[in-house]
Amino acid sequence: GQNIDQPTEMTATEGAIVQINCTYQTSGFNGLFWYQQHAGEAPTFLSYNVLDGLEEKGRFSSFLSRSKGYSYLLLKELQMKDSASYLCAVRDRVTGGFKTIFGAGTRLFVKA
Amino acid sequence: GAGVSQSPRYKVAKRGQDVALRCDPISGHVSLFWYQQALGQGPEFLTYFQNEAQLDKSGLPSDRFFAERPEGSVSTLKIQRTQQEDSAVYLCASSLLAGVETQYFGPGTRLLVL
Repeated sequence: GQNIDQPTEMTATEGAIVQINCTYQTSGFNGLFWYQQHAGEAPTFLSYNVLDGLEEKGRFSSFLSRSKGYSYLLLKELQMKDSASYLCAVRDRVTGGFKTIFGAGTRLFVKA
Repeated sequence: GAGVSQSPRYKVAKRGQDVALRCDPISGHVSLFWYQQALGQGPEFLTYFQNEAQLDKSGLPSDRFFAERPEGSVSTLKIQRTQQEDSAVYLCASSLLAGVETQYFGPGTRLLVL
């Protein structure tokens, strides 16, 4: 079956760095996404990894190890507006196409 | 530019009522997805369309749930005889092509069944 695990909540200080981990199990891995979701709003795309390694995009970086079924999202120079849920999602190849499976999300609280 | 839009944004229904939720994807996007998101959880896949074809409906929780996309653009998710457990946010997402494209989400419809 498919399973995605990520911590429920994390707290960090403004200006600091935080790493949000995600582990997954799928049968037909075809890429991993990170989305940001503010309360009451739609998820917005942050990053996509399909090959092993680190993808950097401004203050946000995402890492993938396919052999370990592991990814992390790294947020640098934290700002108060980064307080949100961060969703790890895995695209799985299934009969007839692809399916994206989401984790429950990690709620990040950034404090002053 | 125009993103994914959904209507209504909020819907209150009495148990047993039928509801219809609308999704307008980004123009030209081939793929359309419906998700159900309970409070404090990630989105759960419901169904997927490629143009007008419904390729996967394995996530629909019961035969009370029905989705269509007759002309390959606008989609409607219909829930018949709503139950309290149907209360959730229903998210629609679209992507440009089939398969490996990023999904862009609409603001969701918050459904409350009393």
